[in-house]
Amino acid sequence: AQKITQTQPGMFVQEKEAVTLDCTYDTSDPSYGLFWYKQPSSGEMIFLIYQGSYDQQNATEGRYSLNFQKARKSANLVISASQLGDSAMYFCAMRDLIGGNEKLTFGTGTRLTIIP
Amino acid sequence: DSGVTQTPKHLITATGQRVTLRCSPRSGDLSVYWYQQSLDQGLQFLIHYYNGEERAKGNILERFSAQQFPDLHSELNLSSLELGDSALYFCASSVGGRRVSTDTQYFGPGTRLTVL
Repeated sequence: AQKITQTQPGMFVQEKEAVTLDCTYDTSDPSYGLFWYKQPSSGEMIFLIYQGSYDQQNATEGRYSLNFQKARKSANLVISASQLGDSAMYFCAMRDLIGGNEKLTFGTGTRLTIIP
Repeated sequence: DSGVTQTPKHLITATGQRVTLRCSPRSGDLSVYWYQQSLDQGLQFLIHYYNGEERAKGNILERFSAQQFPDLHSELNLSSLELGDSALYFCASSVGGRRVSTDTQYFGPGTRLTVL
């Protein structure tokens, strides 16, 4: 079965430092997508970045990058030069097509707190 | 702003009642997904519609039902409400159509349901 594991329930990081949020996944489908979403205290889910299983290069979107290690089944989110506004819950999610279901499977999330 | 709209933003009701949550997808998106976020269950997939047809069901209770209308907006109906149904309900939309892992889901702001 599809599974996403986020082992860091909470992290505290000094402002302007880089931070890595861990995510490991499990799937038997060779074609899958990995997504990161940010959920601020206001509650909305904001799409940050996507990595496809066949992508040769790590995805980047502004200060966000994805450290994709396929053999280790990990897709860690890296936020460079953290800002106070980065304080939020971060969810890793996976979409594969096993059974024809196009749903997202989410991890339990990491609560990131940026310290001034 | 993801372009996905959900109404109402907050809903407070009593046990045994019935409510309807509404979602309008992003312009051009044909797929609508419903997710439930609760403290004990995390983010759970409920149901997926594509261009008016049900495509997949997840952990959706029999008391819950949904539909997608010809104008592509969707409604999630929750009946015989219980205390445990209190949660944040998200609608997400994507282009849909092609069963590929790259189809990014964009989330609405959510409806926070409180059952008293």
